[in-house]
Amino acid sequence: GAGVSQSPRYKVAKRGQDVALRCDPISGHVSLFWYQQALGQGPEFLTYFQNEAQLDKSGLPSDRFFAERPEGSVSTLKIQRTQQEDSAVYLCASSLGQGNQPQHFGDGTRLSIL
Amino acid sequence: AQSVTQLDSQVPVFEEAPVELRCNYSSSVSVYLFWYVQYPNQGLQLLLKYLSGSTLVKGINGFEAEFNKSQTSFHLRKPSVHISDTAEYFCAFGSARQLTFGSGTQLTVLP
Repeated sequence: GAGVSQSPRYKVAKRGQDVALRCDPISGHVSLFWYQQALGQGPEFLTYFQNEAQLDKSGLPSDRFFAERPEGSVSTLKIQRTQQEDSAVYLCASSLGQGNQPQHFGDGTRLSIL
Repeated sequence: AQSVTQLDSQVPVFEEAPVELRCNYSSSVSVYLFWYVQYPNQGLQLLLKYLSGSTLVKGINGFEAEFNKSQTSFHLRKPSVHISDTAEYFCAFGSARQLTFGSGTQLTVLP
């Protein structure tokens, strides 16, 4: 389809393991965003890319979280040494540009840390 | 700093009744406001957006919202709801690099 695609849809990991979450944005979208959505809460901003440049990572909760978009298209969010509080839905969004351009969201990856 | 407040966490309403979901924002910069809907186990779908111009904004599925600068509000309305409108609704404020979301309002439409 033409929408934002995220994989896997569900991920279960043991505490201490590393995980990698993938996002395929809409073709031609310059901007890419990652959000974290805890149960019963609104999404919270993690990081923002414009093409391959990570322009804002102020929302990453710790240095265990790392995101990349090496070729300005697909992005990967990596979480090292996972902890139980990392359990959440991770949403990826893309847009044509910044500011007033609406963001288009994927269906998210539900991460459960045991 | 900007913030978004959704005043009601849950709104039950009967089918075919009107509904209003409330949203207030605080910001010292230019305002871009959005309403998104989230169905279970899905991502967020854009309902409507306010960027500039007319303060009454019409969106998909019969929803509309009115931007009120003096009251710093952006309430979402629908004159007659359907069972299929049952979902979580999020108000969001857009800046250059991110969206700031409210905590969401669960709309439940009862038969």
